[in-house]
Amino acid sequence: GNSVTQMEGPVTLSEEAFLTINCTYTATGYPSLFWYVQYPGEGLQLLLKATKADDKGSNKGFEATYRKETTSFHLEKGSVQVSDSAVYFCALSDRSGGYQKVTFGTGTKLQVIP
Amino acid sequence: DAGVIQSPRHEVTEMGQEVTLRCKPISGHDYLFWYRQTMMRGLELLIYFNNNVPIDDSGMPEDRFSAKMPNASFSTLKIQPSEPRDSAVYFCASSLGGATYEQYFGPGTRLTVT
Repeated sequence: GNSVTQMEGPVTLSEEAFLTINCTYTATGYPSLFWYVQYPGEGLQLLLKATKADDKGSNKGFEATYRKETTSFHLEKGSVQVSDSAVYFCALSDRSGGYQKVTFGTGTKLQVIP
Repeated sequence: DAGVIQSPRHEVTEMGQEVTLRCKPISGHDYLFWYRQTMMRGLELLIYFNNNVPIDDSGMPEDRFSAKMPNASFSTLKIQPSEPRDSAVYFCASSLGGATYEQYFGPGTRLTVT
């Protein structure tokens, strides 16, 4: 079956530091890949997505590139802010048995200190 | 659009009582998902529907849990009888069909069973 593996947290960075959160996946087909962010006390919300190999998703300074050869979708940001402190989830979506099927990673907590 | 609506936002109940959580998906979305989130187990998919029909309920922990979707604009998750280990945040999410579409999450219901 499908699976998503992301680096364990928490990740603690100083403001303006470079961020990388690793995500690798296993899937039988050609999934779409997503990063979701969850701020304290809220539901998950889409941060960015990529639907085919070599696509780059980007939003709010975050980027991730769909790498089929390494089955990876690492999240990066050049300069983090305190407001980026949240939990980040990598996810994949594909069709299985005729239906959409979504698999989430376990989440990586990011804490940015001033 | 108002987004995914969940009610109540907070629920405190005693062990043995029946609990009903409610969800209104985004209009036009044909998939609806119920998740449970705890510190110990992370984000777990409980059940999901397509066009009001349950597709996969393998994540429902036991017979005390049941979910219904009587129409395209309403779903319920019921726990009867409730137990302290059911304490968690329960999220509802909806999406359009197709693997390229993201999920939209509600704000969650924080359930505490004493």
